[in-house]
Amino acid sequence: DIQMTQSPSTLSASVGDRVTITCRASQSIRSWLAWFQQKPGTAPKLLIYDASSLESGVPSRFSGSGSGTEFTLTISSLQPDDFATYYCQQYNGYSTWTFGQGTKVEIK
Amino acid sequence: EVQLVESGGGLGQPGGSLRLSCAASGFTFRSYSMNWVRQAPGKGLEWVSYISSDTTTIYYADSVKGRFTVSRDNAKNSLYLQMNSLRAEDTAVYYCARGPINSRWGQGTLVTVSS
Repeated sequence: DIQMTQSPSTLSASVGDRVTITCRASQSIRSWLAWFQQKPGTAPKLLIYDASSLESGVPSRFSGSGSGTEFTLTISSLQPDDFATYYCQQYNGYSTWTFGQGTKVEIK
Repeated sequence: EVQLVESGGGLGQPGGSLRLSCAASGFTFRSYSMNWVRQAPGKGLEWVSYISSDTTTIYYADSVKGRFTVSRDNAKNSLYLQMNSLRAEDTAVYYCARGPINSRWGQGTLVTVSS
């Protein structure tokens, strides 16, 4: 089974900061990676798919990069609405789906 | 507007059964595969099951294989999860999500397994 490892688990940042979250796959998943944002008590929201494609309606301050086993989610200028937990998810071959353990972005 | 609405959660007995439903609207349900994803209280996300648009392909996570059964009724725009032999570790919010990359999610339904 493919394992996904996110880092860091918690990130403290200020409004305006550039934030980067990393996700590593235990084997190559090409570009079959998505990023989600989840706020307490709500369902996850898709931000990025196919490693670097921005979902419609998502602000352009969010970007994704990487392929193979190393991926990053970058928020170019953190906004108050961005404090949340972020998950990566692999969907290699559309036969298994695995999530990272999550990264909580907190106010510094 | 895409809408996914889960129902059927509640209190289940260890060893018992529950059936979850997911009602879809705002998109052509029969054209999309669907996933069930769960989240235990205070924990991360765990994929549970996948069903293709035409029901010919079905996958399960090892943690639920042999106990849970996914199905769908495209005429009713509905997705289902039959949960048997419930365990305490099945306690979670269960989400249905539009496949294959989980682009849209329902609000979730809470399943609590306890005696």
